[in-house]
Amino acid sequence: ELVLTQSPVTLSLSPGERATLSCRASQSITGYLAWYQQKTGQPPRLLIYGTSTRGSGIPDRFSGRGSGTEFTLTISRLEPEDFAVYYCQHYSNSPMYTFGQGTKLEIK
Amino acid sequence: QVPLQESGPRLVEPSETLSLTCTVSGDSISTHSFNWIRQPAGKGLEWIGRMYLTVNINYNPSLKSRVTMSLDTSKNQFSLRLTSVTAADTALYFCASCRWGRCDYLDSWGQGTPVTVSS
Repeated sequence: ELVLTQSPVTLSLSPGERATLSCRASQSITGYLAWYQQKTGQPPRLLIYGTSTRGSGIPDRFSGRGSGTEFTLTISRLEPEDFAVYYCQHYSNSPMYTFGQGTKLEIK
Repeated sequence: QVPLQESGPRLVEPSETLSLTCTVSGDSISTHSFNWIRQPAGKGLEWIGRMYLTVNINYNPSLKSRVTMSLDTSKNQFSLRLTSVTAADTALYFCASCRWGRCDYLDSWGQGTPVTVSS
């Protein structure tokens, strides 16, 4: 069973800073890695799919990269609206969707 | 993106059956797969299962024995039934979709409907 472990659990930064969020897989996975942003009281919003492709309307300050078992989401310069919870997600052909436990990005 | 709207009872008694409906746009039924995902308060996301038309139905192995999904194309509705519920099934339930053939990510989500299991 695949497990996605996100780190850190909480990340405290200030607007304008760079954020790097990690997603580690318990086994090597293909490029079917996506990232979502979720704000309180809202559904998740797709940010990145295929490890590095931005979703529709997603600003270019969001970027994703990685391979094998290590994946990262980077927000180059934090805007006030970026403070939220972020989830990584993998899709397997079983099929099965596996989510990480989330990283909370909070204002420092 | 595909508009999605979940609906159903907010309170279900233990051991009973949870039934939810997701209303989808008619145009999308033949081109999209529809998924149910849930999120307990303050916790992460758990995939429950998905359907593409009625020919492709898949469930999370951890819930498979209790889950049934169905599609009513005449009503443009995608439904979830979860039997023998317990307090552990209390969560916000989302309907989410992906374009069939590219379902490695979910690009449309409903607002979610909260369900509490309690007597």
